[in-house]
Amino acid sequence: EVQLVESGGGLVQPGGSLRLSCAASGFIFSSYEMKWVRQAPGKGLEFISYISSSGRTTYYAESVKGRFTVSRDNAKNSLYLQMNSLRVEDTAFYYCAREGCSNGVCYLDYWGQGTLVTVSS
Amino acid sequence: DIQMTQSPSSLSASVGDRVTITCRASQIIYNYLNWYQQKPGKPPRLLIYGASSLHIGVPSRFSGSGSGTDFTLTISSLQPEDFATYYCQQTYNTRYNFGQGTKLDIK
Repeated sequence: EVQLVESGGGLVQPGGSLRLSCAASGFIFSSYEMKWVRQAPGKGLEFISYISSSGRTTYYAESVKGRFTVSRDNAKNSLYLQMNSLRVEDTAFYYCAREGCSNGVCYLDYWGQGTLVTVSS
Repeated sequence: DIQMTQSPSSLSASVGDRVTITCRASQIIYNYLNWYQQKPGKPPRLLIYGASSLHIGVPSRFSGSGSGTDFTLTISSLQPEDFATYYCQQTYNTRYNFGQGTKLDIK
């Protein structure tokens, strides 16, 4: 059974840092691109970052570029999101998700339960 | 940047109704369009990928159609567990934008 479990969320002051983790199990982690998606309370979904299966290619939405860093450790079946210079507007549930692809079309087929990051003074 | 616009933003319906939600892309995305369902306090769940392919385990009352810029998600006969928020997502480019969501609630 595919499982993704996020951890590391919490309350942090503006300008602070947090590191989120996503522990993967039930599939060959090193074979899949992984994504981070966030959702402010009561709002819609925002795709913020992805990392290739090898870790060599990454992408960031403009809203987090230069402040967030995605990484992975395939030996530990783990995905990470280092978040620096946090802003009040970064307050959200953060989900890790696995990307699956079929016939050239890709999608997010498994999601973690999410971890809440609250940025407030 | 590709903008994804869903309509309506909210919708009230009854059990047994046929419901259609629309998603429009600001440029051609061919069939790189996915639909997700999200219930309160839960992560999104993939329903449809590639505009019309049903994800494993998803009931057949859900269907998707469209290509290019205009897409629809149809629920043929609403069940109580279908009341949720639905999102479309484009995967044509790396930004993977989502629509703003359509909240489906009980009339």
